[in-house]
Amino acid sequence: ETGVTQTPRHLVMGMTNKKSLKCEQHLGHNAMYWYKQSAKKPLELMFVYSLEERVENNSVPSRFSPECPNSSHLFLHLHTLQPEDSALYLCASSPGGEKTQYFGPGTRLLVL
Amino acid sequence: GESVGLHLPTLSVQEGDNSIINCAYSNSASDYFIWYKQESGKGPQFIIDIRSNMDKRQGQRVTVLLNKTVKHLSLQIAATQPGDSAVYFCAENIVSGGSYIPTFGRGTSLIVHP
Repeated sequence: ETGVTQTPRHLVMGMTNKKSLKCEQHLGHNAMYWYKQSAKKPLELMFVYSLEERVENNSVPSRFSPECPNSSHLFLHLHTLQPEDSALYLCASSPGGEKTQYFGPGTRLLVL
Repeated sequence: GESVGLHLPTLSVQEGDNSIINCAYSNSASDYFIWYKQESGKGPQFIIDIRSNMDKRQGQRVTVLLNKTVKHLSLQIAATQPGDSAVYFCAENIVSGGSYIPTFGRGTSLIVHP
């Protein structure tokens, strides 16, 4: 256990569905991240929140919408996704600054 | 653009051998590097890190070497065990907007044969 939990662990959705991924960290960290991990590709950073404010958005399509209501919780709202969005979505947290990240187990998403 | 990449996608070794996983980076401004291990069904897990003012750092059975001249990073695992089988990623950290933003390589799959 890394202290970072993600729900659900698996999700199947149609292209017209709306769903949300949830991440929670119990480490007292003040930075949280969303990553997309596709087969045979490097981890792609999607969003970074530091002290609940978004500090990085790597040109992610608007069908992905992050929300960080407090320093312990991070959501990724999904709507009208495409099949190519099928991937493992990883959440991570860090104390901030030049520190390593702690990853959750990920949500395996399949878009039909 | 700047990138972090790994030389070999797959490395197969016998149990007990030493393993060396390599990583090249191209951003000379990077000053903090991390190696992660990702087992099947899990998220990446921190193994060891190194700052740019160092060229070697040792942990338990693992050593990271940093060669800033050729922008090369390596992870050495001593006496490799079946439990070491996983995908290994290197990551470099770059400052962006006041935060450290990691960039990951593609990963090397380490397979340890008993």
